[in-house]
Formats: sequence, C-alpha cells, structure tokens
Amino acid sequence: DSGVTQTPKHLITATGQRVTLRCSPRSGDLSVYWYQQSLDQGLQFLIQYYNGEERAKGNILERFSAQQFPDLHSELNLSSLELGDSALYFCASSPAGRVETQYFGPGTRLLVL
Amino acid sequence: QQQVKQSPQSLIVQKGGISIINCAYENTAFDYFPWYQQFPGKGPALLIAIRPDVSEKKEGRFTISFNKSAKQFSLHIMDSQPGDSATYFCAASTRAAGNKLTFGGGTRVLVKP
Repeated sequence: DSGVTQTPKHLITATGQRVTLRCSPRSGDLSVYWYQQSLDQGLQFLIQYYNGEERAKGNILERFSAQQFPDLHSELNLSSLELGDSALYFCASSPAGRVETQYFGPGTRLLVL
Repeated sequence: QQQVKQSPQSLIVQKGGISIINCAYENTAFDYFPWYQQFPGKGPALLIAIRPDVSEKKEGRFTISFNKSAKQFSLHIMDSQPGDSATYFCAASTRAAGNKLTFGGGTRVLVKP
C-alpha cells in the first residue's frame, strides 16, 4: 500500500458524459501527478500540481481538467467522454524532500460505453 | 515522440534465472531513472531508482546498470521468482520539467517455476 488513495476504483459511463476522479496523496506530500494508462499509449503524464498550483502539463486533452484543493486532495475532471478515454487513471504523489520519487495510487478504471 | 524505449516487450525466465530489461533514452536532461513494477489491477510500485552520476545500484535481487555515454540503463532481476511475474516499466524524469515521469513501453515478465 503506497498511501495514495483513489476513488472510485471502477467507473462505467456513457459517451458524452462527465466524470470526476478523486485522489488523496500520502500524508504530507504536496505534489500530485495524474497519469493515464491505455493499451495503445502506455503510461502517459497528464498534469502535475504542487501545493494547489499547476506545475506541469503533459498530453492532457482540453476536455480534461484538474485541480488540487487546500487539503491537498486532487480531482481530475473528464468531460464530453469518448470511447477512447477508456483507460486506467493513476494519481501519484511525491514527498517534499524527494520530489522525484513518485508513489502511485491503485488507479481508477474508466470504461466509456 | 517516444523518449524512452524499452525492450523486450515480454520475456520468460525459469525460476532462479536472471531477467534483464533494457531501456534507452534520448533526452540528456533526464536526471532520475526509476523502475516500477506493476501487477494486474494494481498501480505501479517503485522498485529501484538511479541517478546518472552512479553506474550501478543494487537493492536485494534487483540491480540497475547505467551507461550515461550510451544513454542506456537496464534492470537485472537475479534469482527470479514466480512472484516476480509482473510488468516492469523504466522511466525517466528531469527536475527542470517538474519531475514528470516519461515511461518506457513496459516489459511483461513471466517466471516459470
């Protein structure tokens, strides 16, 4: 157990819908990263937050957005869902003293029908 | 643009044998190279990591070899056990880019008893 929690574990929805994925980082970790894992694209970085501020952006679609709240939990919002958005979404957090070390949560499996 | 290339895609090894996974990178700004282990339905778990100022790092049965001039690094799993059967990912990051991880494509390892 990495100490990073993610909810829900599974999510099934329809095309065009909007969903919110939630992540709670390890206690004391200020950085939160979001990654997408799919069969064709592998593990891809989406976005990073540090203490509430966006720090880096990867190949994140405009339909996707994220935020980090004052209690440091983070949410990833996916809207206008398409079949191709079906994937595993992982959140990771890193400690202030070792910012390069990322601990991954168990992931949310999203299925868009 | 795939900045980290991983090979092989899969490998089968007998119990007690050595598993070797190779990765090559392009971005010379990368300054941190972790390996992650992922079991089905789980998030990636940090296994071992190395910085480019070190040529080798060993932790238990896992060893990273790093060749900075060739821009290559590899994971050796000694005395492979059936419990090591998993997918292994190499990754790279740079502090200059917020420590986001760029992953290789993954290697599925099967250890036969």
